[in-house]
Amino acid sequence: NAGVTQTPKFQVLKTGQSMTLQCAQDMNHEYMSWYRQDPGMGLRLIHYSVGAGITDQGEVPNGYNVSRSTTEDFPLRLLLAAPSQTSVYFCASRMTGSTNTEAFFGQGTRLTVV
Amino acid sequence: AQKVTQAQTEISVVEKEDVTLDCVYETRDTTYYLFWYKQPPSGELVFLIRRNSFDEQNEISGRYSWNFQKSTSSFNFTITASQVVDSAVYFCALSEGFNQAGTALIFGKGTTLSVSS
Repeated sequence: NAGVTQTPKFQVLKTGQSMTLQCAQDMNHEYMSWYRQDPGMGLRLIHYSVGAGITDQGEVPNGYNVSRSTTEDFPLRLLLAAPSQTSVYFCASRMTGSTNTEAFFGQGTRLTVV
Repeated sequence: AQKVTQAQTEISVVEKEDVTLDCVYETRDTTYYLFWYKQPPSGELVFLIRRNSFDEQNEISGRYSWNFQKSTSSFNFTITASQVVDSAVYFCALSEGFNQAGTALIFGKGTTLSVSS
């Protein structure tokens, strides 16, 4: 019972490089989202998806792209990494609809952009 | 717009003290959900409780209790007889809407609790 799996756990990038943070869930949840956590800022929503083929922006979407081709996967792409994107990233999924449940989180990805 | 405020940035207590973490929320919806999460030093996010807007009953789970008051838009969390293992960052979160997809959890900035022995 894996839940939400994020890879990698740690990553160091150089400014201007690109990368994809992977997120997969095996709970058949329709709703998935990405957050970033910075000291003193809590968790801020980057992008979210309400189902395959549907994505939308959250509070801090600039510099990030997402896609949702399957229910299980929701990758987050950094196109031109910047030091301001140094953060801990969390992927989450939840069941929505008539049962609005808690969000299940991955273990996080600690990203450093130098 | 929805908003969650955790005014206490850091709290330090000594073991066995009781401690209350405050959470104040703003929403225009009549249907919403409130959550508390714990983030221990290891970094994962651990779900503690969910409460919907129609259920104002307080809840107790072991040493943890939650006080939901719609009149003051607050959902406070109390730890009784705190222990060192309670040291963590605690987040309060809000989700609006019922029977809707795409309802994001909006988090407060968190309260860092340090319990010393």
